[in-house]
Formats: sequence, C-alpha cells, structure tokens
Amino acid sequence: GDSVTQMEGPVTLSEEAFLTINCTYTATGYPSLFWYVQYPGEGLQLLLKATKADDKGSNKGFEATYRKETTSFHLEKGSVQVSDSAVYFCALRDSNYQLIWGAGTKLIIKP
Amino acid sequence: EAQVTQNPRYLITVTGKKLTVTCSQNMNHEYMSWYRQDPGLGLRQIYYSMNVEVTDKGDVPEGYKVSRKEKRNFPLILESPSPNQTSLYFCASSMRTGRDEQFFGPGTRLTVL
Repeated sequence: GDSVTQMEGPVTLSEEAFLTINCTYTATGYPSLFWYVQYPGEGLQLLLKATKADDKGSNKGFEATYRKETTSFHLEKGSVQVSDSAVYFCALRDSNYQLIWGAGTKLIIKP
Repeated sequence: EAQVTQNPRYLITVTGKKLTVTCSQNMNHEYMSWYRQDPGLGLRQIYYSMNVEVTDKGDVPEGYKVSRKEKRNFPLILESPSPNQTSLYFCASSMRTGRDEQFFGPGTRLTVL
C-alpha cells in the first residue's frame, strides 16, 4: 500500500540555520502531497501542498517541491526561527482520497 | 470563528469504563474523521464519515465506535477502553470527501489505566 517515510527526529538547529526535513513516498498513481505542522498543544495545520509533479508548495518561508523522479517532497526553509519549533508531518492523499501520514519530525530551534 | 472543537481535552480513566469524546465543527463540512497519534507512528485513521448517517472504518477501528446523526457532530465512543487505547486523539473535518484541506481539532489526550 501507499506509505510515507520521514526522517527521524528530533532535528535541533540554531536560529537562522537552513532547514531540510526529508520526506519520501511510495504510491500508485500520482498522489497529492502535503506538509502539516503541529505546534505544541495544538492540532495540525496545513502548511503547504503540491498536487502534481514539479509543483512547488510554499508558505511562511517554507517550501517543498514534488519530485516524481525521486518520489520525494522535502521541506526546506532558508532561515528558521524559534517560533518554527513544532512537529512536521508529511502526508499523501491516496486514490481513495484518504490521507496517509508520515511519523512526524520534531524540530527544535535554539536561540 | 471557524473551528473544530473536541471535549474533553484531557481524560484519565480506567479499563472498561465507557467514554465518549465529542467533536463538533461549525463550518458545515461534509467530511469528518478521527485519528489517533502515537509516537513514531504518525496519525492513523480510526473512522471517517462522508456525510450524515454515513460512516466507515479507517485503518485502526477496533475498539471504537462513531455516529454521525448531525452534520456538525461526530463523537468517538470507547465502549470498553483498554490501556492500548492510551493515545492522543484528533478530530478533523473538510468540506467534501477527503478532497479538501482538513481542519483539525486541538486534540484529546486519553490515558486508560
């Protein structure tokens, strides 16, 4: 079945560092891909999405490009802030329109 | 304010004592869903509902029940909770059947002793 694999955390960075969180997927067909963010004590929020190959999703300084050739959707940000500390989930929407989730990556940003 | 609400936010209970976690959305969404979140496993879908009186099993439905008598409410029922149901639970909704962005509630942390 379809699946999503994320890099294990926690990922600890200093403020203003460059961020990459890896996400790869296996799926039949051409799923839509998502990044959700969960701030401490809150529910998940959609961060960005891409619906077809080579699409780039972006929001709040974060970006991710749908790479069909490498089945990847890595999350990047050029300069992280303490307020970016959260858990980040990669997900795909399968052919039945259900979301398949990665395990989540905890990001810790130190001042 | 458009939102998904869950109650209670925290619950500690004992094995076998029936409980209900409520979920309500005020966005007139057709689709609602319950997930559980466990460390290292991400989110796993328990049940979902595509509209009133229409519910279906997700990936981990055992030990849970749901109902969808009204569009706005989608309660999760644990008839006889067990310790392996200790988890963080999220309710989510979207405009239509899984095609649109899902909006999540704040979560319910359940501990079953």
